[in-house]
Amino acid sequence: DIVMTQTPLSLSVTLGQPASISCKSSQSLLHSDGKTYLYWYLQKPGQSPHLLIYEVSSRFSGVPDRFSGSGSGTDFTLKISRVEAEDVGVYYCMQDKHLFSFGPGTKVDI
Amino acid sequence: QVTLNESGPVLVKPTETLTLTCTVSGFSLSSARMGVSWLRQPPGKALEWLVHIFSNDEKAYSTSLKSRLTISRDTSKSQVVLTMTNMDPVDTATYYCARVNSLLPFDYWGLGTLVTVSS
Repeated sequence: DIVMTQTPLSLSVTLGQPASISCKSSQSLLHSDGKTYLYWYLQKPGQSPHLLIYEVSSRFSGVPDRFSGSGSGTDFTLKISRVEAEDVGVYYCMQDKHLFSFGPGTKVDI
Repeated sequence: QVTLNESGPVLVKPTETLTLTCTVSGFSLSSARMGVSWLRQPPGKALEWLVHIFSNDEKAYSTSLKSRLTISRDTSKSQVVLTMTNMDPVDTATYYCARVNSLLPFDYWGLGTLVTVSS
């Protein structure tokens, strides 16, 4: 199974400042079809998770452009260019190259 | 409008079998690009994927829980059913169903249902 890890596990940010979360996979997420199956989700307090980023760097519908994803192979990053109050919650990376597996989550607060 | 709604018992006893139902609307379970997964989240802990059913009725199971899980669907009722056998207190969690739309896994989620395992 593919194991996902994230750092940091907790992140205190300042409004208007950038933030960055790292995600690593135990094996490459690059598929033979040329796509890389890495996703980011945000779970706001008391809510179900929702999709932010798909295939490393594509923003899902309605996701603000202050969110960006990058990376390749086994190393990936989610960046928030300027943190807003509504960005607090737990961020998860996930892979579906082989079944589905999530990282442990990164709790972001202000 | 796509919605998913989980339903089932809020409390089960150890060793019992849990049965949860996900009722979907706004899309068809038999549509070529659609599938539904069950996931769970113990209180204060991370998300864990459990099982998935594809549009062609094929299934995929979590390696660690495969022996305890069964997923099925009733397309006429737009329902996906999860059964998990031999429940234990460590299985206490919020159970979610979520849609997989082609290359967009878990683009829609249900609100989740909290299941407590206790005698």
